[in-house]
Amino acid sequence: DAEITQSPRHKITETGRQVTLACHQTWNHNNMFWYRQDLGHGLRLIHYSYGVQDTNKGEVSDGYSVSRSNTEDLPLTLESAASSQTSVYFCASSDGGFSSGANVLTFGAGSRLTVL
Amino acid sequence: GQQLNQSPQSMFIQEGEDVSMNCTSSSIFNTWLWYKQDPGEGPVLLIALYKAGELTSNGRLTAQFGITRKDSFLNISASIPSDVGIYFCAGQPPGSARQLTFGSGTQLTVLP
Repeated sequence: DAEITQSPRHKITETGRQVTLACHQTWNHNNMFWYRQDLGHGLRLIHYSYGVQDTNKGEVSDGYSVSRSNTEDLPLTLESAASSQTSVYFCASSDGGFSSGANVLTFGAGSRLTVL
Repeated sequence: GQQLNQSPQSMFIQEGEDVSMNCTSSSIFNTWLWYKQDPGEGPVLLIALYKAGELTSNGRLTAQFGITRKDSFLNISASIPSDVGIYFCAGQPPGSARQLTFGSGTQLTVLP
């Protein structure tokens, strides 16, 4: 079965360290997204990609970067982790075609990051 | 950007009761989606709505796409303990064909 996998599921790091969260999907979806979830804020979009070599900033992109070298993967990098980046991070993907359900997101299970 | 107002923020109900939650916006949406998030997991799609006025059911869940395209509601009938979780609405705005706007979620607790 197709799936979307995030790793690690839990990570503790120190302020100033670089951290990369992995996202891998086997749906062959064109679109991939990274969200963070914090109490009181719901899901906020960090970065997204509509295809290989395409990346775009979301509403809370400062301090984060992504790269899309293939269809399956969109790693999220925190260049210098800050305590404000302690959160739960969700990767999601969608087909991005022209059918009515093309933009329905499928989510990974999440990565809980703690920055000390 | 587009804003979705989801209410209520939290609900405590007795097992067997019906539940209703809704999302509203000052702008129109082309698609409305309802997701449920179990503790420690990612959101999972419950119902997708694609046309204004559409009423769709999925077991004990019923959702409607408002006629004005600015709102949607989700009803859960005869709640059970496994209904516990966070429910999110999401909308696809016109002109943003590949992105969704999310509500802030409704935390549902079902008491035995």
